[in-house]
Amino acid sequence: KAGVTQTPRYLIKTRGQQVTLSCSPISGHRSVSWYQQTPGQGLQFLFEYFSETQRNKGNFPGRFSGRQFSNSRSEMNVSTLELGDSALYLCASATLVAGGPYNEQFFGPGTRLTVL
Amino acid sequence: ILNVEQSPQSLHVQEGDSTNFTCSFPSSNFYALHWYRWETAKSPEALFVMTLNGDEKKKGRISATLNTKEGYSYLYIKGSQPEDSATYLCGETGANNLFFGTGTRLTVIP
Repeated sequence: KAGVTQTPRYLIKTRGQQVTLSCSPISGHRSVSWYQQTPGQGLQFLFEYFSETQRNKGNFPGRFSGRQFSNSRSEMNVSTLELGDSALYLCASATLVAGGPYNEQFFGPGTRLTVL
Repeated sequence: ILNVEQSPQSLHVQEGDSTNFTCSFPSSNFYALHWYRWETAKSPEALFVMTLNGDEKKKGRISATLNTKEGYSYLYIKGSQPEDSATYLCGETGANNLFFGTGTRLTVIP
């Protein structure tokens, strides 16, 4: 079974630009979550999508948005990039029993975003 | 917002030593506690997902315990090997979000 894939793996942008990251979950997984990791911080939860609906959202500004398609693939968009947005962005997919994302998360390799 | 804390931040042990880490979390609205191993240049991989107070899980030389009433979990590694070198993350699922600690960075010295 293919794992979670993320594209692109590396990205360099300048302040003020916008960026779109893509995540393809494991086949059959309908829950996709996004996380941000910056130096000295743990994984910060951005949001989770299930069946094309955002179910949960972390404490990030509205510049961070996402969506999920009918095939469960998900995209994350960051508008008006700031230097502090430089980070590793991970997505993870999971099966779902009930309620929240407390099943085992399967992580992708991440997208390393650098904002200059 | 949940506040998951892990200690120590980093740890160096000799090959063959046993070691353990601590994860503390708010015990209200608890759903599940996750442990992940994150090796350099790889993706985090799940070790355990625990939901019940008193849970004990084991995978090879690695085991974990859970105390939901007092809000902590321990991860134990018996007879550490160089391939155990990684960052170990714990995360708590509260109100349908998964909040992680900053991790414990383990280095096993051959």
